[in-house]
Amino acid sequence: AAGVIQSPRHLIKEKRETATLKCYPIPRHDTVYWYQQGPGQDPQFLISFYEKMQSDKGSIPDRFSAQQFSDYHSELNMSSLELGDSALYFCASSLGPRVNEQFFGPGTRLTVL
Amino acid sequence: KQEVTQIPAALSVPEGENLVLNCSFTDSAIYNLQWFRQDPGKGLTSLLLIQSSQREQTSGRLNASLDKSSGRSTLYIAASQPGDSATYLCAVRRSQAGTALIFGKGTTLSVSS
Repeated sequence: AAGVIQSPRHLIKEKRETATLKCYPIPRHDTVYWYQQGPGQDPQFLISFYEKMQSDKGSIPDRFSAQQFSDYHSELNMSSLELGDSALYFCASSLGPRVNEQFFGPGTRLTVL
Repeated sequence: KQEVTQIPAALSVPEGENLVLNCSFTDSAIYNLQWFRQDPGKGLTSLLLIQSSQREQTSGRLNASLDKSSGRSTLYIAASQPGDSATYLCAVRRSQAGTALIFGKGTTLSVSS
């Protein structure tokens, strides 16, 4: 069965640079979620989208922005990167926000040097 | 503010044992609860989803129960195998409108052969 696809899988950036993470949900899933998992931490919710509209917002820094496109893929844009942004970034998708069994992708490991 | 706690933080058992992982949450007004498995450095695999109106869900050797009134869920693993070694996370969704999952810090399980 098709799963959530995230790219890139690994990303190394310098401080103050920008990064763009991409997420391709499971086919027919129209809701995407972004989570950040720091080293040894539990995943923290950042933001979610349903039908290209933001549906919920968590602890996403102002330096980050995200959007969902007409084909339901989503991008997380991160600017002015800081050392503390180094983490695993997960995208999840679900078939609508109401059922909400969230299926997670493999994650993008971002390292900021 | 919803808080999710998982006890114990780590558990080591010999192969073949039946075991129980515990999850507690502070606000009983949840929409659903989801159990995940995470292998080191990998993504999260959804194991079971329990809606707030349900008492339990079963999948193979896994059985998850939910007691909303006491703010507790348990994940029962029957006849544990070395391949079950991983970190198990429980996550609650607060409401139908709020799509974010709030995670516990997980229980790291090690099953020895």
